[in-house]
Amino acid sequence: KQEVTQIPAALSVPEGENLVLNCSFTDSAIYNLQWFRQDPGKGLTSLLLIQSSQREQTSGRLNASLDKSSGRSTLYIAASQPGDSATYLCAVMDSSYKLIFGSGTRLLVRP
Amino acid sequence: DTGVSQDPRHKITKRGQNVTFRCDPISEHNRLYWYRQTLGQGPEFLTYFQNEAQLEKSRLLSDRFSAERPKGSFSTLEIQRTEQGDSAMYLCASSLDDSHEEQYFGPGTRLTVT
Repeated sequence: KQEVTQIPAALSVPEGENLVLNCSFTDSAIYNLQWFRQDPGKGLTSLLLIQSSQREQTSGRLNASLDKSSGRSTLYIAASQPGDSATYLCAVMDSSYKLIFGSGTRLLVRP
Repeated sequence: DTGVSQDPRHKITKRGQNVTFRCDPISEHNRLYWYRQTLGQGPEFLTYFQNEAQLEKSRLLSDRFSAERPKGSFSTLEIQRTEQGDSAMYLCASSLDDSHEEQYFGPGTRLTVT
């Protein structure tokens, strides 16, 4: 059974810091991995999708890497801003095309 | 707005009542997914449709839950005889086809059972 773990569960940093969020999964047989952002009480916004054959994806200040063999992904956020404060969720797509999510990392960027 | 839409956004109901939620996927998206999210947790898969066919159901989907997608467009999720444990955010997502496509999520329906 696929399990997804995100570390840390919560993170508080001052504005301007670069930071790394970690995601690990137990079964390397995945089709892709997605990183999402969720604001309180809201739905999910897709940030980056990495196909299983890819190693990384970049969008603006965000960079996500994938090491499928070791079951790990990282989301790197450069020059963090207070507007980045949210919960970040990692999810892997299994062989039946459904997403298996981690519990998320709650990020607070202090002005 | 051409994204995934869900209705209602919030629903408060008394224990034992039936509730129905609606999801309208992005136009021409063939796959539609339902997930449930409780406080402090990531979403958990409930069920999904390929066009009008319901292809998989999670063990989380008890007999009190039923989902339909009658014409392969919008979908409904009904919960009968609601229980307090059903209180959660119900999220709908859609994707274009059965390849490894990105799933796009709606804003969710927050259900509170009193």
